[in-house]
Amino acid sequence: AQSVTQLGSHVSVSEGALVLLRCNYSSSVPPYLFWYVQYPNQGLQLLLKYTTGATLVKGINGFEAEFKKSETSFHLTKPSAHMSDAAEYFCAVNYGGATNKLIFGTGTLLAVQP
Amino acid sequence: EAGVAQSPRYKIIEKRQSVAFWCNPISGHATLYWYQQILGQGPKLLIQFQNNGVVDDSQLPKDRFSAERLKGVDSTLKIQPAKLEDSAVYLCASSFTEETQYFGPGTRLLVL
Repeated sequence: AQSVTQLGSHVSVSEGALVLLRCNYSSSVPPYLFWYVQYPNQGLQLLLKYTTGATLVKGINGFEAEFKKSETSFHLTKPSAHMSDAAEYFCAVNYGGATNKLIFGTGTLLAVQP
Repeated sequence: EAGVAQSPRYKIIEKRQSVAFWCNPISGHATLYWYQQILGQGPKLLIQFQNNGVVDDSQLPKDRFSAERLKGVDSTLKIQPAKLEDSAVYLCASSFTEETQYFGPGTRLLVL
């Protein structure tokens, strides 16, 4: 079955430290890949996406992610965490086909310590 | 550009009652999705519309959930009767291309 795995349901970093949120997908065919952020009591906001082309994708708020086909990974990074980055982050995959169904990971809650 | 609108934002009902949620997608977006997000989990697709036709409703519990999208714009999702396990956030999303879905703020449902 197609799935998305996010390692670490909770990640805590210090302000100014590197943020690394991990995402792996299960498919030999490169899908479309997305990272969404969800702030408390809000909907999902698109951070960045990979469809085709350059494997290093830059998004909003200083985040970026790299698609690595050999590792079936799409990890999210930010060089320096800010307090406002505290939120829940979801990796999602669109495997294509007849529908554009997004399959989401279980999410990673990012805490940023002062 | 206005985003996806949803109402109500919060709803508390007792089990066995009925409830309805409303979604207005981004103008021009032909595809509309309803997701269920249970606490601690990622969103799960319930139903997908292309214009006013259903593309995928394989995960919709059809004995109690129903959805419609009249005139290919607004959509309503109904639960009747509600169960305790229906407590969740119900997210509506829309898309213009096959790539990117844009989400509304969600409706937080609590069933007591």
